[in-house]
Amino acid sequence: DQQVKQNSPSLSVQEGRISILNCDYTNSMFDYFLWYKKYPAEGPTFLISISSIKDKNEDGRFTVFLNKSAKHLSLHIVPSQPGDSAVYFCAASGDSNYQLIWGAGTKLIIKP
Amino acid sequence: EAGVTQFPSHSVIEKGQTVTLRCDPISGHDNLYWYRRVMGKEIKFLLHFVKESKQDESGMPNNRFLAERTGGTYSTLKVQPAELEDSGVYFCASSPRQALGYGYTFGSGTRLTVV
Repeated sequence: DQQVKQNSPSLSVQEGRISILNCDYTNSMFDYFLWYKKYPAEGPTFLISISSIKDKNEDGRFTVFLNKSAKHLSLHIVPSQPGDSAVYFCAASGDSNYQLIWGAGTKLIIKP
Repeated sequence: EAGVTQFPSHSVIEKGQTVTLRCDPISGHDNLYWYRRVMGKEIKFLLHFVKESKQDESGMPNNRFLAERTGGTYSTLKVQPAELEDSGVYFCASSPRQALGYGYTFGSGTRLTVV
């Protein structure tokens, strides 16, 4: 049973526009959420995170929104740049458990 | 500072053979994690070391998998005997403390193919 779901396997966005990547989760005990970015043949790289006590966290062009009632989070990238083309993973962690539970990833393609 | 190093980067073995993956964490990082991604699906936790001790091995799929961390430095993950469903990319990550993800530095992974 997949606890973290990224329902869009891929997303194509025009350069300069906003990219919105979505993630849903089922476990209400999750209290920390992270986004990772992965290029081919490389390991995941941490991008941005959010604690369940917040509903928004911003870092430069990247903003993560958390809707706890809907068990949904999203990553906004504005403006999208060619270097943003990668696979984006949503991950979650609960309480004192240091395991990360990951989604299957969304491949973002930024078109010039 | 050198990053997390994994080798080999690729391994192709026959079903029933043994393979050993190695991970060298960032020097001084007490926490070491193994994760696996199978067939483009989600990345799944395998286990977590704090120094040489296994803190959490709840993600290890079965007793064909054996992980060790000698002296709290590098770690090995042995699969014996390998099965077709073991194919995937095995990632190692390390952190200086039990950070909730943001402190993890991942290696580039070992792509294991069992034929």
